[in-house]
Amino acid sequence: NSKVIQTPRYLVKGQGQKAKMRCIPEKGHPVVFWYQQNKNNEFKFLINFQNQEVLQQIDMTEKRFSAECPSNSPCSLEIQSSEAGDSALYLCASSLWTGGREQYFGPGTRLTVL
Amino acid sequence: GQQVQQSPSSLVLQEGENAELQCNFSSTATQLQWFYQSPGGSLVSLLSNPSGTKHTGRLTSTTVTKERRSSLHISSSQTTDSGTYLCAIETSNAYKVIFGKGTHLHVLP
Repeated sequence: NSKVIQTPRYLVKGQGQKAKMRCIPEKGHPVVFWYQQNKNNEFKFLINFQNQEVLQQIDMTEKRFSAECPSNSPCSLEIQSSEAGDSALYLCASSLWTGGREQYFGPGTRLTVL
Repeated sequence: GQQVQQSPSSLVLQEGENAELQCNFSSTATQLQWFYQSPGGSLVSLLSNPSGTKHTGRLTSTTVTKERRSSLHISSSQTTDSGTYLCAIETSNAYKVIFGKGTHLHVLP
């Protein structure tokens, strides 16, 4: 079973507020992914890291979203100015490597933007 | 178009019946995983099966790589199997995992 830890489990913010969520990957997993799952069950890849380096990110992430995976600290995903459309389940996953390796998911942070 | 398509979108069974879930994908997959998502949202990896047949407990997955399809068979379904089953692939030219929309399974007592 996955040992990826995500906090908080639930997050409620007003529009325009910052929303920050954290992820501790499985021990020994250098690759971390962030996904957004909307109410239609659609997953959207946001960004991934290998150790502290960004491997890939989508345009949306580059504008209002920021993420980092500092050494010896939890990874984090922050939305600078929350919008109603950001309400979703944010899932963090970790993996041993990027190609052909299983991803292990945390329980997610459910963000509600009022 | 959607790269990972799952069918059926929803399935209702009586306890004890078998379930057959399908996943078709449009890109070459270097990895394929079946996940279970509980009503609360937690994702659990069930099987990792990029090719061939794998078993675990009451679950059997068969992936035919050349035909870009995978199936998940749940035998003797139980009410606790109710939830969403997601198929996800990782392609050779992307680091990310691409998910289908899932099959919502409801097992009646």
